[in-house]
Amino acid sequence: EAQVTQNPRYLITVTGKKLTVTCSQNMNHEYMSWYRQDPGLGLRQIYYSMNVEVTDKGDVPEGYKVSRKEKRNFPLILESPSPNQTSLYFCASRPASSGYGYTFGSGTRLTVV
Amino acid sequence: GENVEQHPSTLSVQEGDSAVIKCTYSDSASNYFPWYKQELGKGPQLIIDIRSNVGEKKDQRIAVTLNKTAKHFSLHITETQPEDSAVYFCAASSATSYDKVIFGPGTSLSVIP
Repeated sequence: EAQVTQNPRYLITVTGKKLTVTCSQNMNHEYMSWYRQDPGLGLRQIYYSMNVEVTDKGDVPEGYKVSRKEKRNFPLILESPSPNQTSLYFCASRPASSGYGYTFGSGTRLTVV
Repeated sequence: GENVEQHPSTLSVQEGDSAVIKCTYSDSASNYFPWYKQELGKGPQLIIDIRSNVGEKKDQRIAVTLNKTAKHFSLHITETQPEDSAVYFCAASSATSYDKVIFGPGTSLSVIP
């Protein structure tokens, strides 16, 4: 089944403790992206990647890192999480051709206390 | 900066009635307009999209219209069913901005049986 898989689905952590949210897609898509979803603010792009070793900042990149060492994987790293990073996170992927929508993962609910 | 406005924020309709959600975008370079449906506890799912060289597109009970001059696009759902209840997001993206996708804030649609 074609899908984007995120792990974990739920995570509670403490301020300052580094964490990684994994994302993997099996559709051979070139583009991958991370979004956060907050009430009243909709979906905001954190980082995106156009292919292996090619990444760029989205609208809200502060406090996050990403890497794209393999085409299928695009982990999101929070080196020193803070409470304002408590949110619902989505990974998504799509083909490189313009005019194609994203396939989203099921989300990761992160709480930083 | 670029933004996408979406109205209404909440919408309740009787089963069998039609529902219309409207979006306005600011970036005149936008040329691709997807619509996503997000059910509770799931990631957004692409349901229909339209490109700037097309004025209308239909897929069974769902249709999308685009007015590039006015920078408006709309989602129309006919013969609504309870399973149409979800949050709907419009989005706009530009081929000149790589992967810059701007989402609207969402519309929560409730279909009352």
